[in-house]
Amino acid sequence: DAKTTQPNSMESNEEEPVHLPCNHSTISGTDYIHWYRQLPSQGPEYVIHGLTSNVNNRMASLAIAEDRKSSTLILHRATLRDAAVYYCILVNYGGSQGNLIFGKGTKLSVKP
Amino acid sequence: DTAVSQTPKYLVTQMGNDKSIKCEQNLGHDTMYWYKQDSKKFLKIMFSYNNKELIINETVPNRFSPKSPDKAHLNLHINSLELGDSAVYFCASRTVSGANVLTFGAGSRLTVL
Repeated sequence: DAKTTQPNSMESNEEEPVHLPCNHSTISGTDYIHWYRQLPSQGPEYVIHGLTSNVNNRMASLAIAEDRKSSTLILHRATLRDAAVYYCILVNYGGSQGNLIFGKGTKLSVKP
Repeated sequence: DTAVSQTPKYLVTQMGNDKSIKCEQNLGHDTMYWYKQDSKKFLKIMFSYNNKELIINETVPNRFSPKSPDKAHLNLHINSLELGDSAVYFCASRTVSGANVLTFGAGSRLTVL
């Protein structure tokens, strides 16, 4: 699976939007972009995924660049509960067999 | 209803002992995994089972042996525990069909003294 690059940490204020970037310049045409997050002392939790088009769900939005070499996870209104490590992972459905390769992720801090 | 449940949540033991961590999922998924998160917080896959058959076995010491009695359970047995085995172990599951989304358990923190 191709590699992703994320900032080590980001800070946000409560109730404000947060944009978490991810670079994946070596993405292949069949790689999906998945985001997971890990709250303190919990297991990773699926957030959202997409292939080419922007995606929205109840947790977040995913904006994918036209060339697919980068993407941004958008939390529209950060809450204290959103403080977590966010992982951007490329998944090739044909080859990965579900083997998610986690990087260091971005540690998001949310200030009240 | 917990989707992926692991027991025990905490396990403290001495070097050289043998211990097991159990995992059960009630999602009807057919593939289950064990991941290890070390002290530096890196998450790495250890094993994957699909319908009770081993399909992924990363470079893990053979002291670690997964066992899948049925597709809803994947247990992890560790022989001759070493200090370096101290970590948080996460079980996960997914269904082969549909989006490749994993559901993780809450983790089992193993401390080897």
